[in-house]
Amino acid sequence: TQLLEQSPQFLSIQEGENLTVYCNSSSVFSSLQWYRQEPGEGPVLLVTVVTGGEVKKLKRLTFQFGDARKDSSLHITAAQPGDTGLYLCATFGNEKLTFGTGTRLTIIP
Amino acid sequence: DTAVSQTPKYLVTQMGNDKSIKCEQNLGHDTMYWYKQDSKKFLKIMFSYNNKELIINETVPNRFSPKSPDKAHLNLHINSLELGDSAVYFCASSQVAATKQYFGPGTRLTVT
Repeated sequence: TQLLEQSPQFLSIQEGENLTVYCNSSSVFSSLQWYRQEPGEGPVLLVTVVTGGEVKKLKRLTFQFGDARKDSSLHITAAQPGDTGLYLCATFGNEKLTFGTGTRLTIIP
Repeated sequence: DTAVSQTPKYLVTQMGNDKSIKCEQNLGHDTMYWYKQDSKKFLKIMFSYNNKELIINETVPNRFSPKSPDKAHLNLHINSLELGDSAVYFCASSQVAATKQYFGPGTRLTVT
C-alpha cells in the first residue's frame, strides 16, 4: 500500500497570508487527487493531476504535480477563512483510493 | 438535492450493541464505498461495491457487514460494537471505480 505523507500536519495562519502544503510518497503516483474536508462534512474533490510537472489553478489555489510524479503541492494565495479545513491528497491503485495523512489548515480572520 | 446521504448523522451506543448506518446516492453511480475516519482524521477505505457486488474488503473485522440491496444503496451493519469502532464513517460513490468520488456528510459513531 502506497503511503502518502502530508506536511505540515497542522497549519494556522492569518487571513491574507500565502501557504503551501505538501504530499509526498516514496512511490510513483499514477495520478493524484486533492480533496478538502470542512468540519462536519465529507471530503470534496478539488483537482486531479495526472502528468508529471502539471500545474492546475483553481482561483487562489495552485496545484503542482512533481516531475517524477512522487510528490505534489498545494499553494494558496491570500488565504481566507473559508479555506479552513482538512486537505487530503489521494492516489488510486489496486482499485481503491488511498488517502494521505492530511493537513489541518486554520485561517485566522 | 442531496447527492450522497447518510443516516443517522450521529450515533451514540454502548459496547456490545448492534447498529446500522444507511447510505443512499441519487447520482446513478455504479460503485459505492464505506470509509472510516479515525480521531487523527486518517481516512481509510473499508469496503467497495460495484453494482451490488463486493469488490474490496479491506481487512475489516467480520463484525462489519455491508449490504447493498440495489446499486443506489449501501448499508453498513456493525455487530458487537467495541470502543475502537468510535469514528466517523463516510459513504461515497463514483461512476467508475475510484475516479471522482462523492462523499456523504458522515456518521459520527460513539461507542461508550
